[in-house]
Amino acid sequence: QVQLQESGPGLVKPSETLALTCSVSGASMSSGTYYWSWIRQPPGKGLEWIGYIHYRGSTNYDPSLKSRVTISVDTSKNQFSLKLSSVTTADTAIYYCARAGITGTVTTSWFDPWGQGALVIVSS
Amino acid sequence: SSELTQDPAVSVALGQTVRITCQGDSLRNYYASWYQQKPGQAPVLVIYGQNNRPSGIPDRFSGSTSGSTASLTITGAQAEDEADYYCNSRDSSGDYVFGTGTKLTVL
Repeated sequence: QVQLQESGPGLVKPSETLALTCSVSGASMSSGTYYWSWIRQPPGKGLEWIGYIHYRGSTNYDPSLKSRVTISVDTSKNQFSLKLSSVTTADTAIYYCARAGITGTVTTSWFDPWGQGALVIVSS
Repeated sequence: SSELTQDPAVSVALGQTVRITCQGDSLRNYYASWYQQKPGQAPVLVIYGQNNRPSGIPDRFSGSTSGSTASLTITGAQAEDEADYYCNSRDSSGDYVFGTGTKLTVL
């Protein structure tokens, strides 16, 4: 059973860089056609897709965050990471990591499983 | 980027059938996936693709698509189905987008 777990600082100062790591257990990140993803949810609001990385290193980011986001992977540790630079209070959210699956025809995709989420507060 | 629109809130009487909809142009080419989120918990995948349920999801959950509208149907809603529901799909750029979310109340 694949499990994901987020870790990182829960408090970040404005203008600094938010950094989180997702540890994957129960399966190798290098197996299967999966995209390892970050999703966030501001308090009381909806889900926002941030971006994903394939184990070979290809990435895709939400256009609105692209200039500030970097997602990287360390297959030797079975982990992937998120960095979000120049944060503001608007970046306060629960950050989830999730595995994205996709069929060969790319018409079908899904996020499963999800980590439990990590609350990151941006405040001085 | 693309957008997916959902009704903010829907209610259903216990044991009745409810349909939650998701509208967006990307759904003409890509199937929606659906997520259930209960307070304080991470989202859980309930439906993906044409109408696929992950292991452990009750068969009262089903999905369908017509044109630019995807639907999640709960047949015989239970008290434990009260939650927020989000749709999601890819778009032609390979980006993902989540719907605005629907709060389901079971009366």
